[in-house]
Amino acid sequence: AQSVTQLGSHVSVSEGALVLLRCNYSSSVPPYLFWYVQYPNQGLQLLLKYTSAATLVKGINGFEAEFKKSETSFHLTKPSAHMSDAAEYFCAVSSSGYSTLTFGKGTMLLVSP
Amino acid sequence: EAQVTQNPRYLITVTGKKLTVTCSQNMNHEYMSWYRQDPGLGLRQIYYSMNVEVTDKGDVPEGYKVSRKEKRNFPLILESPSPNQTSLYFCASRQGGGAIVNEQFFGPGTRLTVL
Repeated sequence: AQSVTQLGSHVSVSEGALVLLRCNYSSSVPPYLFWYVQYPNQGLQLLLKYTSAATLVKGINGFEAEFKKSETSFHLTKPSAHMSDAAEYFCAVSSSGYSTLTFGKGTMLLVSP
Repeated sequence: EAQVTQNPRYLITVTGKKLTVTCSQNMNHEYMSWYRQDPGLGLRQIYYSMNVEVTDKGDVPEGYKVSRKEKRNFPLILESPSPNQTSLYFCASRQGGGAIVNEQFFGPGTRLTVL
């Protein structure tokens, strides 16, 4: 089975502060991991993905995530938050033997001035 | 422009009145999928299709039907909608039926209310 747990349904940061959104996965085989972002009233778009190459993955808009097998984690970070980063973020996992993507429940990022 | 389109974007209907939500993609993708998004539950997969005439159930298929007669279209059918199907629905597609590493492209969503 494959599953994803996102810690914290809401995360609040100040503009300019570090953003850290947590994701832990469960998979019986090596996983592919994704972060998607959903801006208000829009569909989801891909931020970044891990496909078993480099463990530190850089994505769009200054976001990055690090795959840590020992911790079964794939946390999303950004050094300095912008107001435009306010959105809902979804971690997702897919693995060999599964043809589908399993999403976490999402984390809403709130950015205050 | 490469995109996934859904229609309608908003729909209010009554219990039991059959409806269809259309989904179309212009990227020649083999894989298409439907999700529903509910507060606190994230996205849950309803049905998916690896290619034309190949469909399979996702995690929450009860009360829904799909068909894949053409590569570009993947309609979602609610034959007898009920209030618990009130939700935000997303269609998605990706290149390669079994290529799970590929990015999924999402439509803009359809907000359905069943009274």
